[in-house]
Amino acid sequence: QQPVQSPQAVILREGEDAVINCSSSKALYSVHWYRQKHGEAPVFLMILLKGGEQKGHEKISASFNEKKQQSSLYLTASQLSYSGTYFCGTVLSGTYKYIFGTGTRLKVLA
Amino acid sequence: SQTIHQWPATLVQPVGSPLSLECTVEGTSNPNLYWYRQAAGRGLQLLFYSVGIGQISSEVPQNLSASRPQDRQFILSSKKLLLSDSGFYLCAWSPRQRIYNEQFFGPGTRLTVL
Repeated sequence: QQPVQSPQAVILREGEDAVINCSSSKALYSVHWYRQKHGEAPVFLMILLKGGEQKGHEKISASFNEKKQQSSLYLTASQLSYSGTYFCGTVLSGTYKYIFGTGTRLKVLA
Repeated sequence: SQTIHQWPATLVQPVGSPLSLECTVEGTSNPNLYWYRQAAGRGLQLLFYSVGIGQISSEVPQNLSASRPQDRQFILSSKKLLLSDSGFYLCAWSPRQRIYNEQFFGPGTRLTVL
């Protein structure tokens, strides 16, 4: 039931790009992305709704393909501040129950 | 603007002792409220959620309980802590009028059970 994220971990150099994927076995009506820095609470980044919508936050953008039940997060020209664990999340249809993906640890090196 | 508070920030408790963690939200009314636990290096485990005063949905734990005595207050409790209860406890809220329920987190409580 929990969305699966890939890769589990990624290491980048500053300025490199990365893609994080989130796949669900259940239909998705919206997907949310969060970033959690070490020792801190997760922070909401953006929401993606049905319709293949793309959104952006800083140099981070995302896409949502509801037919494939997948969402992808794109980090462009990564900065040291992008380091952290990224989670996708969604609410189960017809409920208020919220579930998070398995998480992707991202480390950006100077 | 909305603010969510949690306390205490850190807690060290012996096995078998009771627990009470509190979460309050300011600047909004009738929020959905959530408790999560995160073991070291792991993901976010949903423990409880509430859509109104006195309404609690339990997801997993057997020795934890939650209560919502007021609209913007959510309390996590245990009568006897286990070693496995150690972790980072996070309270989150989402706007009731938003059907997508994106989560906004408090700063968290780091609990160590010895």
